Amino acid sequence: QSALTQPPSASGSPGQSVTISCTGTSNDIGAYNYVSWYQQHPGKAPKVIIYEVSERPSGVPDRFSGSKSGNTASLTVSGLQAEDEANYYCSSYAGNYWHVVFGGGTKLTVL
Amino acid sequence: QLQLQESGPGLVKPSETLSLTCSVSGDSVSSSTYYWAWIRQPPGKGLEFIGSVFYTGSTYYNPSLKSRVTVSLDTSKNQFSLKLSSVTAADTAVYSCVSWNPVFFYFGYWGQGTLVTVSS
Repeated sequence: QSALTQPPSASGSPGQSVTISCTGTSNDIGAYNYVSWYQQHPGKAPKVIIYEVSERPSGVPDRFSGSKSGNTASLTVSGLQAEDEANYYCSSYAGNYWHVVFGGGTKLTVL
Repeated sequence: QLQLQESGPGLVKPSETLSLTCSVSGDSVSSSTYYWAWIRQPPGKGLEFIGSVFYTGSTYYNPSLKSRVTVSLDTSKNQFSLKLSSVTAADTAVYSCVSWNPVFFYFGYWGQGTLVTVSS
């Protein structure tokens, strides 16, 4: 069982927006603004698309945005494109004991 | 551009020790820029943090694996390594070496990953 809870699947049509949630606790997401999101296409290594809750690394389209409220973080993909179909994982810093925890992943399908 | 490459046996027998090495290019494992980490992903499942090491030698381990894990640096070869003892079938996974950004707290650069199967 993963430390962070994500819905196993999400879907949307091209051009639509989809939001994926990631629920933790007051010891991880609720305690730190160090939530990151990773995109993983089949057979490929994960790629960071959001860090520090809402920051995008260079080269990541601004269609990807992140936010946090309390113990829950969210990833929103706007203007869905076919290439956005992938697995998405959230992660949070969790202090010196657990250090880093992950969500179980959400498979995003572009209909 | 940082590049990481895993190497090691793809098959390990139950109760034995899994040993993997990550070769780093584009930066030195002796620098303070990154922590060096291992993450695994069982087939069809999610990501799990295993452990990490800093150039100072300080380490972080997943508490659920801590009694079996060692992550260490080999500065002479610009590599870092993973040892996981007393493996079982539950340790079958793709193991990836990764860089951890200690300022912004994310995993930035990933190796391609290597599948390690635990089977007799």
